[in-house]
Amino acid sequence: DQQVKQNSPSLSVQEGRISILNCDYTNSMFDYFLWYKKYPAEGPTFLISISSIKDKNEDGRFTVFLNKSAKHLSLHIVPSQPGDSAVYFCAASAGTASKLTFGTGTRLQVTL
Amino acid sequence: EAQVTQNPRYLITVTGKKLTVTCSQNMNHEYMSWYRQDPGLGLRQIYYSMNVEVTDKGDVPEGYKVSRKEKRNFPLILESPSPNQTSLYFCASSFRWATGELFFGEGSRLTVL
Repeated sequence: DQQVKQNSPSLSVQEGRISILNCDYTNSMFDYFLWYKKYPAEGPTFLISISSIKDKNEDGRFTVFLNKSAKHLSLHIVPSQPGDSAVYFCAASAGTASKLTFGTGTRLQVTL
Repeated sequence: EAQVTQNPRYLITVTGKKLTVTCSQNMNHEYMSWYRQDPGLGLRQIYYSMNVEVTDKGDVPEGYKVSRKEKRNFPLILESPSPNQTSLYFCASSFRWATGELFFGEGSRLTVL
């Protein structure tokens, strides 16, 4: 049972435009959400996070939005750059946060 | 340089031959964890450790063992590997677990024939 779902395996966006990556979750106990970025042959790296007490968190070109009623979060990248081409994983944790539950990932390609 | 180091990075082995994937972090992190990444399944947690001598199962612990005798090291042991353990493995660590901001190693690609 996939508790964190990324329904789009891939996304292609032109350089300079907005990239929107989506993530849905089913576990209402999740209260902390994160996005990780992964380049080929490297480990994932932390990108941005949001607590369930917020509905938006911004860090430079990256903004994460959380819609608790819809159990949905999204990552916006504006403007998209070729270096943003990577696989993006969303992840969620609940309570004591001894574990993170990851989605299956979305491969973003930013084209020139 | 702050890092999580895994060895080996690549390994091909045969069914039943015990192997250990080492993981070491130099950031004095209390929390460490192992994940496996498989196509279409994302990252799934195998085991985690909140501190020295404290370990617990993640979502897919069957066929794996871990130990945490020192803060910096968290080896993953496959006592009798099977082909379904062919995967890409990641070790990760975190200083303040409550933030969930994990630092990952570069990964170990394991093939079991």
